[in-house]
Amino acid sequence: EPEVTQTPSHQVTQMGQEVILRCVPISNHLYFYWYRQILGQKVEFLVSFYNNEISEKSEIFDDQFSVERPDGSNFTLKIRSTKLEDSAMYFCASSEARGSNQPQHFGDGTRLSIL
Amino acid sequence: RKEVEQDPGPFNVPEGATVAFNCTYSNSASQSFFWYRQDCRKEPKLLMSVYSSGNEDGRFTAQLNRASQYISLLIRDSKLSDSATYLCVVKKGFSGGYNKLIFGAGTRLAVHP
Repeated sequence: EPEVTQTPSHQVTQMGQEVILRCVPISNHLYFYWYRQILGQKVEFLVSFYNNEISEKSEIFDDQFSVERPDGSNFTLKIRSTKLEDSAMYFCASSEARGSNQPQHFGDGTRLSIL
Repeated sequence: RKEVEQDPGPFNVPEGATVAFNCTYSNSASQSFFWYRQDCRKEPKLLMSVYSSGNEDGRFTAQLNRASQYISLLIRDSKLSDSATYLCVVKKGFSGGYNKLIFGAGTRLAVHP
């Protein structure tokens, strides 16, 4: 079964440093997403991406965050200057279409630890 | 009011038991509904979509009540492997381009021998 893959599985970074999280969505999917989950809290939406542009973003997704699809397979999330509160699990997801019942399939996440 | 509310549990049940989880959502514009399952420190995995007429997948049955803005999940004949956190998830309609998933905080299930 095709799956969403994410690298690295765990990233440890000093506060103030830039970090790039990488995702390879399922190959025939057109819609891509980033979510995060702070330890012990619920999963929160960050951003959705379609046709090489952001289609929606949350309040969490401020100027420190950016997304990019640099080639035909990768989808990245960049945090420019990390803060302690950015420590969380970051999940990439993709879906085939935007239709209301289209499920989103999640990668196994990158655990980001900011020191 | 939280957009999606769930009883956090934990629900501790013996193998073979039937257990039901409930969820309420606040936004009547919500159009799509899902149950995801999440194991400790793992990614959410789609368990099933929830349709207005109700739907069943093996031991799992999901129901939706739009009038009450209420979703349920019933698990019959619980297995040890069902131990996980069950996430109630809603999505707004197509109009306006809303496509984000809104997650509840989850209900923890522990099935014991």
